[in-house]
Amino acid sequence: DAGVIQSPRHEVTEMGQEVTLRCKPISGHDYLFWYRQTMMRGLELLIYFNNNVPIDDSGMPEDRFSAKMPNASFSTLKIQPSEPRDSAVYFCASSLDLRDRGQLKQFFGPGTRLTVL
Amino acid sequence: GQQVMQIPQYQHVQEGEDFTTYCNSSTTLSNIQWYKQRPGGHPVFLIQLVKSGEVKKQKRLTFQFGEAKKNSSLHITATQTTDVGTYFCAVGSSNTGKLIFGQGTTLQVKP
Repeated sequence: DAGVIQSPRHEVTEMGQEVTLRCKPISGHDYLFWYRQTMMRGLELLIYFNNNVPIDDSGMPEDRFSAKMPNASFSTLKIQPSEPRDSAVYFCASSLDLRDRGQLKQFFGPGTRLTVL
Repeated sequence: GQQVMQIPQYQHVQEGEDFTTYCNSSTTLSNIQWYKQRPGGHPVFLIQLVKSGEVKKQKRLTFQFGEAKKNSSLHITATQTTDVGTYFCAVGSSNTGKLIFGQGTTLQVKP
């Protein structure tokens, strides 16, 4: 299994530009999560999906952020327009729904390091 | 919403010394997980604890879940330079599939 795949690994863009981050979860996983990690704020959950349906987007910072999951094997996180304060590492993670056995183990992708100049 | 406090935020130790990080909650937890993130890497699952008073070991790592299921600890015996990284606790919601992560403890090991 290739694990969770994210692209690009690094993105440098200028303020005002649109940024699209991509994620391919592990095949068969029911949940997909988008996180943002910064030194100041730590690891923050932005949004998560269950069976391709957005369940909780309360962590999305503002309307400039949007996420979609058109099918079980692909998700995008879009920032439009981007701002310097959006600079962070963005992680995608996926998991199986095994709550009946108390298991919510998440598998993280390698992350996308975003720099907005 | 549910929150977990993790302490300390940073820890510097000499190689060979022990290390402990603590995770505390004001509410009873259904389960708790621990993750490790190496510098420049991504969080990787280490273990999950579910039962009150549970203790699990992975080589030099010992994980404990409190009797009241409100706190947990990760203890590393005789640290090595390979232990460097940030250790996160995370609590699972009984109603949803999401995890709430603690702030993490960053461990530095001096050789």
